Amino acid sequence: GDSVTQMEGPVTLSEEAFLTINCTYTATGYPSLFWYVQYPGEGLQLLLKATKADDKGSNKGFEATYRKETTSFHLEKGSVQVSDSAVYFCALSEGNRDDKIIFGKGTRLHILP
Amino acid sequence: EPEVTQTPSHQVTQMGQEVILHCVPISNHLYFYWYRQILGQKVEFLVSFYNNEISEKSEIFDDQFSVERPDGSNFTLKIRSTKLEDSAMYFCASSAVSGANVLTFGAGSRLTVL
Repeated sequence: GDSVTQMEGPVTLSEEAFLTINCTYTATGYPSLFWYVQYPGEGLQLLLKATKADDKGSNKGFEATYRKETTSFHLEKGSVQVSDSAVYFCALSEGNRDDKIIFGKGTRLHILP
Repeated sequence: EPEVTQTPSHQVTQMGQEVILHCVPISNHLYFYWYRQILGQKVEFLVSFYNNEISEKSEIFDDQFSVERPDGSNFTLKIRSTKLEDSAMYFCASSAVSGANVLTFGAGSRLTVL
């Protein structure tokens, strides 16, 4: 079945460092791809999405490009802030059911001041 | 900003006991969901609910689980007889229309079964 694999955490970086969180997926169809973020004590929030190959999703300085050839959707940010500390989940929507989401395990990010 | 509210934030129960997790979705939303995350594992889809009935459920959502929208504002998940492996974080979500890009999730309810 469809699945998502993302890099293990925790990831610890200093403020202003460059961030990459790797995500690869397996899908039989043409899923939409998502990054969700969970800040401490809060719910899962949609960070960005891409619905087709070569689309780039972006929000709050974060970017991810839908790469069909490498089945990847890596999350990047050029200069992280302490407020970016959170758990990041890569996800896809299964087939044509875009309300049934398949998540990765999540990557905890710690940003040190 | 409207939010999905879940209670309790953490519940500890004995194996075999019934548990009800509560969710208050966003008021004008029509679609409701439960997901769960066992510690260290992936967030998994449990069930979706629309128009007062289950629209889809996963293999995890067996006869021990049930959902209900008892009063038009709450959306509950009941586990009839908890097992150790039910220990997890349970996330409620809602959306105005069907679609992953418009789901709003709650902060989660952590269930610990002893």
